[in-house]
Amino acid sequence: GENVEQHPSTLSVQEGDSAVIKCTYSDSASNYFPWYKQELGKGPQLIIDIRSNVGEKKDQRIAVTLNKTAKHFSLHITETQPEDSAVYFCAASNPGNQFYFGTGTSLTVIP
Amino acid sequence: DTEVTQTPKHLVMGMTNKKSLKCEQHMGHRAMYWYKQKAKKPPELMFVYSYEKLSINESVPSRFSPECPNSSLLNLHLHALQPEDSALYLCASSQEEGRGIGAFFGQGTRLTVV
Repeated sequence: GENVEQHPSTLSVQEGDSAVIKCTYSDSASNYFPWYKQELGKGPQLIIDIRSNVGEKKDQRIAVTLNKTAKHFSLHITETQPEDSAVYFCAASNPGNQFYFGTGTSLTVIP
Repeated sequence: DTEVTQTPKHLVMGMTNKKSLKCEQHMGHRAMYWYKQKAKKPPELMFVYSYEKLSINESVPSRFSPECPNSSLLNLHLHALQPEDSALYLCASSQEEGRGIGAFFGQGTRLTVV
């Protein structure tokens, strides 16, 4: 089955700096890669996703890049703000609709 | 309306109790899911309903019993739980059948088994 690794497990950045979270996957058939943000006491919120026919997608301060050859994808947050502090999960899904979460990254933005 | 609503938000139950968790969405999604999440861990899939029929049971113990009364509602009936079942239980829904593509999650029910 699919194995999704996520790094780093914890990340601290100064407000205004950029944050990058990386995930790798093992199943070359995986073709859909969502990112979720989970704030304390809340459910995961889908913040951005990318399909395998696209290399990059951007939505305001967040962007996701995908390298299919290397089987890795990354979340980029620019101009970080304290409200970006949360746990971020990547995930990978294949055409058989198997869906696997990464282990999570706890992001802290220091004011 | 892009919300998945879960009730109750918190639940404390004894090991001999019977309780139910409820989930509702009005986005017209035809797939609904139950996940279990332990602290500092990713969500783990428990059940998937597609068009109101149970399509996936991830070998969940029978003390957890899902029910989908209609396309907008999903219940999780709990009976004779163990303390290790204490966790955040998340409901999600998505347009597509499958294991959560583009899924919207509810806020979860924080369950404590005493």
